[in-house]
Amino acid sequence: KQEVTQIPAALSVPEGENLVLNCSFTDSAIYNLQWFRQDPGKGLTSLLLIQSSQREQTSGRLNASLDKSSGRSTLYIAASQPGDSATYLCAVSNQAGTALIFGKGTTLSVSS
Amino acid sequence: GAGVSQSPRYKVAKRGQDVALRCDPISGHVSLFWYQQALGQGPEFLTYFQNEAQLDKSGLPSDRFFAERPEGSVSTLKIQRTQQEDSAVYLCASSPRQANQPQHFGDGTRLSIL
Repeated sequence: KQEVTQIPAALSVPEGENLVLNCSFTDSAIYNLQWFRQDPGKGLTSLLLIQSSQREQTSGRLNASLDKSSGRSTLYIAASQPGDSATYLCAVSNQAGTALIFGKGTTLSVSS
Repeated sequence: GAGVSQSPRYKVAKRGQDVALRCDPISGHVSLFWYQQALGQGPEFLTYFQNEAQLDKSGLPSDRFFAERPEGSVSTLKIQRTQQEDSAVYLCASSPRQANQPQHFGDGTRLSIL
């Protein structure tokens, strides 16, 4: 059974710092990997989607990498801002592409 | 265009009552997903529709949970004889096609069973 783990569970940084969030998964037979952001009381916002054949994706200050063979992904946030404060969730898609399996998330707090 | 819309936003029910949660996906999206998110946890997959066909219901926790999408657009998740452990946020997501497309999530329905 696929399991997704995110480390750390919580992270507090001062504004301007670069940071890395980690995600690991137990079964490398995935269709894709997605990073989401969730604000309190809200749904999930898709940040980046990496297909299983890709190694990384970039969007603005965000960069996500995927190493399928080792079962790892990282989300790099450059020059963090207070508006980046949220919970970040990593999810892998099953081979059929019909379901996402999520980690518990990393709660990020960026102080000004 | 509008995003995924879920109603109600909050639902309080007494143990044993039946509840129905509604999801309006983004217009034209073929795929629709339901997830359950307990407090402090990541969402857990419940079921998946492609148009009106329910292709995967492996995540439904018991036969008290039932989902439908009769015309391939709006979906309803029904929970019969609710129990306290059903208290959670129920999230709906849609995407244009089956695979390799980001899922777009609604804000969820927070269900509290007393």
